[in-house]
Amino acid sequence: DTEVTQTPKHLVMGMTNKKSLKCEQHMGHRAMYWYKQKAKKPPELMFVYSYEKLSINESVPSRFSPECPNSSLLNLHLHALQPEDSALYLCASSQGAGESYEQYFGPGTRLTVT
Amino acid sequence: KQEVTQIPAALSVPEGENLVLNCSFTDSAIYNLQWFRQDPGKGLTSLLLIQSSQREQTSGRLNASLDKSSGRSTLYIAASQPGDSATYLCAVYGGSQGNLIFGKGTKLSVKP
Repeated sequence: DTEVTQTPKHLVMGMTNKKSLKCEQHMGHRAMYWYKQKAKKPPELMFVYSYEKLSINESVPSRFSPECPNSSLLNLHLHALQPEDSALYLCASSQGAGESYEQYFGPGTRLTVT
Repeated sequence: KQEVTQIPAALSVPEGENLVLNCSFTDSAIYNLQWFRQDPGKGLTSLLLIQSSQREQTSGRLNASLDKSSGRSTLYIAASQPGDSATYLCAVYGGSQGNLIFGKGTKLSVKP
């Protein structure tokens, strides 16, 4: 099974809402990633978790709060977002967090902030 | 700082043509390079991963080459089909944490 799943597929939220994105993999991977992709732009790395510990935070605003409850699950908690945060949020996983490991991506969550 | 450039930004070809997509990177000290396909509004599908010690990888009608010394990679698609229409992204692995640095992609349209 080489699948990374993400829920929900689409999410519309107001600027005062709190919501969460979920990502799951059952490949035994120990590194998981959140990327943000704006329309017609390439994905940009937000966070990296390695062995359930946050190892990279690419200066992401605190209104985005990642969580890795276990090695298979990665959440992204959203609070007080801005309309410019509307984007496709992609989750990925890899066997390890080193450069030799191939990353597998999920289908993404399309987020719209109103 | 590593930068990845993809040329052309868009490409339209008739069905059956062989085509080449180009990717260049500024820092030749990369580890691996990965080619992805992305359909509109969808996630990324990995096509080929080239390890830094390799020069090329093949999968079906796809062939990717890597020349680290010149900072270039090419993706060759043989006998293109309308189903190949998508955006193709090149990404290099940089740093010890395996973060991917993406190019802006080439949008391919294959006309029947």
